[in-house]
Amino acid sequence: DAGVIQSPRHEVTEMGQEVTLRCKPISGHDYLFWYRQTMMRGLELLIYFNNNVPIDDSGMPEDRFSAKMPNASFSTLKIQPSEPRDSAVYFCASSFWQPNSPLHFGNGTRLTVT
Amino acid sequence: QQQVKQSPQSLIVQKGGISIINCAYENTAFDYFPWYQQFPGKGPALLIAIRPDVSEKKEGRFTISFNKSAKQFSLHIMDSQPGDSATYFCAASYSGNTPLVFGKGTRLSVIA
Repeated sequence: DAGVIQSPRHEVTEMGQEVTLRCKPISGHDYLFWYRQTMMRGLELLIYFNNNVPIDDSGMPEDRFSAKMPNASFSTLKIQPSEPRDSAVYFCASSFWQPNSPLHFGNGTRLTVT
Repeated sequence: QQQVKQSPQSLIVQKGGISIINCAYENTAFDYFPWYQQFPGKGPALLIAIRPDVSEKKEGRFTISFNKSAKQFSLHIMDSQPGDSATYFCAASYSGNTPLVFGKGTRLSVIA
């Protein structure tokens, strides 16, 4: 089991550019979560999917953020246009459907917007 | 509105000492309280978890103490080691597989 795979590991971009973060969850997991980590706010839930369907996107900060899960093995988080305040580490996590199943996190994408 | 408040923000402990991290919650519907451990450059990973029907759970050097009436729970790391240096997150959720709500994290440094 390779775990949750995120790409890229690091992304540096200029303000106004489009950024796409990618995630491959653990095979068989039913839930996929996108979190953002900053020093000030800690780990914030942005959006989560159940069986590829978005369940709650109330954590998405603005319309500039969007997420998709076209199939069970792939999800993207897109920021368009990006702003310096979007700089953070973005984590993808997946889990089984059973209540209180452990979250398995990827190693994150460190995004820097200049 | 922060649903899980974690303290301290950072902690320095001597090797062999006891590390204690505290969390408080507001939502009495919460019934699952895990702790996650995160090393630099890695994602958080589940360390230990407790449900409110017990007041304490121990796994090796790691213990969760739970106080339902005070709506507080804490992580104790006995005989802290330099390898325990990491960021620790408390979290909470309630039945139905709702997403975890995380505290802001505690950066622990264990020095020799």
